[in-house]
Amino acid sequence: KAGVTQTPRYLIKTRGQQVTLSCSPISGHRSVSWYQQTPGQGLQFLFEYFSETQRNKGNFPGRFSGRQFSNSRSEMNVSTLELGDSALYLCASSLAGDYYEQYFGPGTRLTVT
Amino acid sequence: LAKTTQPISMDSYEGQEVNITCSHNNIATNDYITWYQQFPSQGPRFIIQGYKTKVTNEVASLFIPADRKSSTLSLPRVSLSDTAVYYCLVGPPGAGSYQLTFGKGTKLSVIP
Repeated sequence: KAGVTQTPRYLIKTRGQQVTLSCSPISGHRSVSWYQQTPGQGLQFLFEYFSETQRNKGNFPGRFSGRQFSNSRSEMNVSTLELGDSALYLCASSLAGDYYEQYFGPGTRLTVT
Repeated sequence: LAKTTQPISMDSYEGQEVNITCSHNNIATNDYITWYQQFPSQGPRFIIQGYKTKVTNEVASLFIPADRKSSTLSLPRVSLSDTAVYYCLVGPPGAGSYQLTFGKGTKLSVIP
């Protein structure tokens, strides 16, 4: 069974630009969650999608948005990038959204200059 | 999820057994203890989960004393490939992904 895949793996953007990250969950998984991980703040929850609907949202500004398609693939978008958005963005999928049943992807390393 | 405390870093030589302890004084009756492993620039990976006493799988063992206020992840005969950050989480099995948060974890460095 293929794991969670994320594209791209690495990305360099400049301040003010926008970026779209993609996540393909494990086949059959309907829940996709996104996390931001930084050395200073650790892992922080961004949002969760289940069957194309946003089910939960973390405490991030509106510049961070996401969506899920009918095949469960998900994208997240960050507009008007700031230096502080530099981080590892992780996507995780699961059948129902339980935290310990999630499988994580390798992440997208975003660097904002 | 409950607050946990674990050492920031640990060093070990190859072939030794490594024990990483996590304190969780405010663990609730229905909370489980879960450990994750994360390699650099990779997503976290579930290692083991337990409720009480001892749990063992092909990767590690988890020891939980009767009062459940702490737990110890035991990695037998570590190799260089076990160099990673290990996170301890405490929470109910029904907790959603939105409740998942990692702190700094324990950075394990295995020395040849």
